[in-house]
Amino acid sequence: DVKVTQSSRYLVKRTGEKVFLECVQDMDHENMFWYRQDPGLGLRLIYFSYDVKMKEKGDIPEGYSVSREKKERFSLILESASTNQTSMYLCASSGLSLAKNIQYFGAGTRLSVL
Amino acid sequence: EDQVTQSPEALRLQEGESSSLNCSYTVSGLRGLFWYRQDPGKGPEFLFTLYSAGEEKEKERLKATLTKKESFLHITAPKPEDSATYLCAVQAGGSQGNLIFGKGTKLSVKP
Repeated sequence: DVKVTQSSRYLVKRTGEKVFLECVQDMDHENMFWYRQDPGLGLRLIYFSYDVKMKEKGDIPEGYSVSREKKERFSLILESASTNQTSMYLCASSGLSLAKNIQYFGAGTRLSVL
Repeated sequence: EDQVTQSPEALRLQEGESSSLNCSYTVSGLRGLFWYRQDPGKGPEFLFTLYSAGEEKEKERLKATLTKKESFLHITAPKPEDSATYLCAVQAGGSQGNLIFGKGTKLSVKP
């Protein structure tokens, strides 16, 4: 079975803290993605990676960075958390070929920044 | 600009009352259209992929269809357990795999 695992389901952090969200996939997928989901705004792409050490900005990269040192792991970093980064964060992965380009999602991390 | 619009935003049905959800899109060269189901507090769960106009796919009470401008998700005789938010997404030709999502249709099915 396909599996994308996000390290935390719920996180509560203070303003100004550095926050790490971890995502691991076991499907040997090349692509990995980080989204945030907010009511009324839908899913918005923050960053994605199509290979180890490669990254591309999505629609809303400001205030975030990412790291992909291993193929199976993709980390989202909030350098200095702010209250407007309170959101649901979703990680996804997919393969490169047309037959494997379905994105599979993790369960999500609900982050609250106080 | 590539764009996905879903309608209605919310739909309330009685159990057994069939209906359809719409996903209209503008994209430069469609590589694929995807339907997902999302339950509250969970990640989206993949349902269907459609690649070309005229294609149809079915799974239990759900059937997805695709034209050159829109996709429909038909729900036949829905049950309360079909209640969820349904998301539509497109992948543009030339993209590196990223999807453009609509905002979803929240479906409620009452017994």
